[in-house]
Amino acid sequence: AAGVIQSPRHLIKEKRETATLKCYPIPRHDTVYWYQQGPGQDPQFLISFYEKMQSDKGSIPDRFSAQQFSDYHSELNMSSLELGDSALYFCASSLRTGDTEAFFGQGTRLTVV
Amino acid sequence: GENVEQHPSTLSVQEGDSAVIKCTYSDSASNYFPWYKQELGKRPQLIIDIRSNVGEKKDQRIAVTLNKTAKHFSLHITETQPEDSAVYFCAARKRLNYGGSQGNLIFGKGTKLSVKP
Repeated sequence: AAGVIQSPRHLIKEKRETATLKCYPIPRHDTVYWYQQGPGQDPQFLISFYEKMQSDKGSIPDRFSAQQFSDYHSELNMSSLELGDSALYFCASSLRTGDTEAFFGQGTRLTVV
Repeated sequence: GENVEQHPSTLSVQEGDSAVIKCTYSDSASNYFPWYKQELGKRPQLIIDIRSNVGEKKDQRIAVTLNKTAKHFSLHITETQPEDSAVYFCAARKRLNYGGSQGNLIFGKGTKLSVKP
């Protein structure tokens, strides 16, 4: 079965650079969530989208932005990268209708040097 | 907003023993409570979930209980095996008011479970 696809899997950037993370949800899933997980920490909710509209916002820095496109894939854009942005970034998708589970992608490991 | 607290942060058991992890949540509107298992560097994977209209759910060696009045839920693993060693996260989610869409998952801090052979 198709799963949530994230790209790239690994990314190394220098301070003050920009990065774009991509997420392709499970087919027919209309809701996408982004999470940031630092070493040894729990996943922190950043932002979510439903039907291409932002549905909820968490602890996403102003330097970050995200959107969901017509094909339901989502991109997380990160600018002016800081060392503290180094983390695993997970995308998850689910169906709006019903209390269905959220499936996580493999994650993108971002390292800022 | 929702706040989820999870205890203990670390748990070490002997193979074959039971393990119990407890979580409390703050928002009474939360109605969906999944448990995820995460191995080092990998994605969280759902192992069991429970909805607010159910008090208990069991799947082989794993069970979850929910007490809505007290706003707490627990994960029970029986006959633990070394491959159960991982970090376990509880989470809570509520339905948003607008459009009936799902809210985001709020995670507990995680419990590192070690099962010693």
